[in-house]
Amino acid sequence: NAGVMQNPRHLVRRRGQEARLRCSPMKGHSHVYWYRQLPEEGLKFMVYLQKENIIDESGMPKERFSAEFPKEGPSILRIQQVVRGDSAAYFCASSPGQTNQPQHFGDGTRLSIL
Amino acid sequence: RKEVEQDPGPFNVPEGATVAFNCTYSNSASQSFFWYRQDCRKEPKLLMSVYSSGNEDGRFTAQLNRASQYISLLIRDSKLSDSATYLCVVNGYGNKLVFGAGTILRVKS
Repeated sequence: NAGVMQNPRHLVRRRGQEARLRCSPMKGHSHVYWYRQLPEEGLKFMVYLQKENIIDESGMPKERFSAEFPKEGPSILRIQQVVRGDSAAYFCASSPGQTNQPQHFGDGTRLSIL
Repeated sequence: RKEVEQDPGPFNVPEGATVAFNCTYSNSASQSFFWYRQDCRKEPKLLMSVYSSGNEDGRFTAQLNRASQYISLLIRDSKLSDSATYLCVVNGYGNKLVFGAGTILRVKS
């Protein structure tokens, strides 16, 4: 499967635990984006990364959230000390990097906080 | 004012109908525009890019009016499988996509 791969598809955590969401971009894509979709709302941009660099994190909450895209391996979105309000669908997208190119999305990770 | 605004609908139409969705955006510097569809909280899927000259893909026609900052999507001969949420998406500065909240389409037999 050459598409954007996200795992896990579903993740359940208790309040205060850490959540790690993974994303492998499409083959040939070097740019990764994370979006969050709260129940009954639209998608909201969180962060844009290239290999080893955060390009734009203007949509990331100031605390508890971090993202990385290491030289080797998938991009990781990490949420520390999760709270009920973090329950959402988290989508990753990738693009080749040229401006004006569409982004292609993974299946998403549904995060549920107990 | 939201960066991208869409009529949330729902649009309830019979099979075979023609339906049009509109979208306005606030950032006049936006460079590229897309329509995505999203089914039942699944991932958004690219439907088509929107070009200044207008473009057509089968039953779907997209148009862009930069002067009015307005984008449209026309669906002809609606099918049951067209039922979904249609997302107007604008690429502003720095490759950041801005999504509209979506327009719900329900096609009924």
